[in-house]
Amino acid sequence: GQSLEQPSEVTAVEGAIVQINCTYQTSGFYGLSWYQQHDGGAPTFLSYNALDGLEETGRFSSFLSRSDSYGYLLLQELQMKDSASYFCAVCYQKVTFGTGTKLQVIP
Amino acid sequence: DTGVSQDPRHKITKRGQNVTFRCDPISEHNRLYWYRQTLGQGPEFLTYFQNEAQLEKSRLLSDRFSAERPKGSFSTLEIQRTEQGDSAMYLCASSLAQDAYEQYFGPGTRLTVT
Repeated sequence: GQSLEQPSEVTAVEGAIVQINCTYQTSGFYGLSWYQQHDGGAPTFLSYNALDGLEETGRFSSFLSRSDSYGYLLLQELQMKDSASYFCAVCYQKVTFGTGTKLQVIP
Repeated sequence: DTGVSQDPRHKITKRGQNVTFRCDPISEHNRLYWYRQTLGQGPEFLTYFQNEAQLEKSRLLSDRFSAERPKGSFSTLEIQRTEQGDSAMYLCASSLAQDAYEQYFGPGTRLTVT
């Protein structure tokens, strides 16, 4: 089976940088995805890492270390609209989501 | 393409009743997934289809839950003899099989069992 751990809540200041960590245990692994979900909304795909290293998509970057079973999502130049829940998800046959990190961006 | 749609958006039912939800995926997507999400939790996998074949069903899912995708397009999720613990948001997502890591979610059906 799969299990993922993320911090439950993170607070950061507008304009700052925040890192959301994810550690996982899995019996099989193709890669790690990240999704964003605003309150009352549906999850939306942000990024995917199949290989070790950093993937950059605009203000968001995602990192993976397969040997450490660890990844993180880095959000730069935080904006108020980034306040949302962020889920890492292990991709293997199906996708298994973590419990999510609620990010609050404050002025 | 209008994205993934789900119907109804909200459903209130009495305990013991059966309910059925529908999901229409993005038309070119051959994979369709059902998830359940409760407050403060991530989406919990229920089942998924590739075309019309149901490839996996969660072992946590009771026999009261069944899903179909008869023609490889839309899908239905039925819950029989609903219980209060079934109250949740039911999310549908679709993807291409080769890009299963990038799923497109519908708005969800919020089920309340009274």
